[in-house]
Amino acid sequence: KAGVTQTPRYLIKTRGQQVTLSCSPISGHRSVSWYQQTPGQGLQFLFEYFSETQRNKGNFPGRFSGRQFSNSRSEMNVSTLELGDSALYLCASSLGWETSGSTDTQYFGPGTRLTVL
Amino acid sequence: DAKTTQPPSMDCAEGRAANLPCNHSTISGNEYVYWYRQIHSQGPQYIIHGLKNNETNEMASLIITEDRKSSTLILPHATLRDTAVYYCIVRVAGGGGADGLTFGKGTHLIIQP
Repeated sequence: KAGVTQTPRYLIKTRGQQVTLSCSPISGHRSVSWYQQTPGQGLQFLFEYFSETQRNKGNFPGRFSGRQFSNSRSEMNVSTLELGDSALYLCASSLGWETSGSTDTQYFGPGTRLTVL
Repeated sequence: DAKTTQPPSMDCAEGRAANLPCNHSTISGNEYVYWYRQIHSQGPQYIIHGLKNNETNEMASLIITEDRKSSTLILPHATLRDTAVYYCIVRVAGGGGADGLTFGKGTHLIIQP
């Protein structure tokens, strides 16, 4: 079974621009979570989508948004980019609690490395 | 804040067992212990998880103390490719995890040739 895929793998943008990142989950997985990883803050949870609905959200400004499509693929958008948004953006997929029961293991993609100049 | 405490770094000789400790003294009865690892600049890789019994899979073994306040991840025969940052995470079971996985700083395991 193919793993989580993310596109693009690398991206360079300038301040003020906006960016859209894409994530394709493992086949059959309905939950997609996004994380940001920076050297200073480590790995931080952004938000989670399940069945096209955002279920949970981390402590990030409204410039960070996302959506999920009916095929479970997800996109993340960052508007008005700032230098501090330079990071590795990771997507993780899982079956969803409703399917997996008491444990719902997340599997991560390779990430998108975003550099803001 | 992360609910786990791990040593920042550890060394292990290639071919030996690597034992990575994790303290989670405030763990609740419905929280699982998960282990992930991250090789430089790659996405975290799931290793193993458990509730209260010891667990083993093709990658590693997880030993959880009887009081569940600490655990140890064991890589039985470490190789150079096991050099990575290892994260110990506790996560509530069954419909919880409202804030996603909470990663701490992890343990940087360095396998020495």
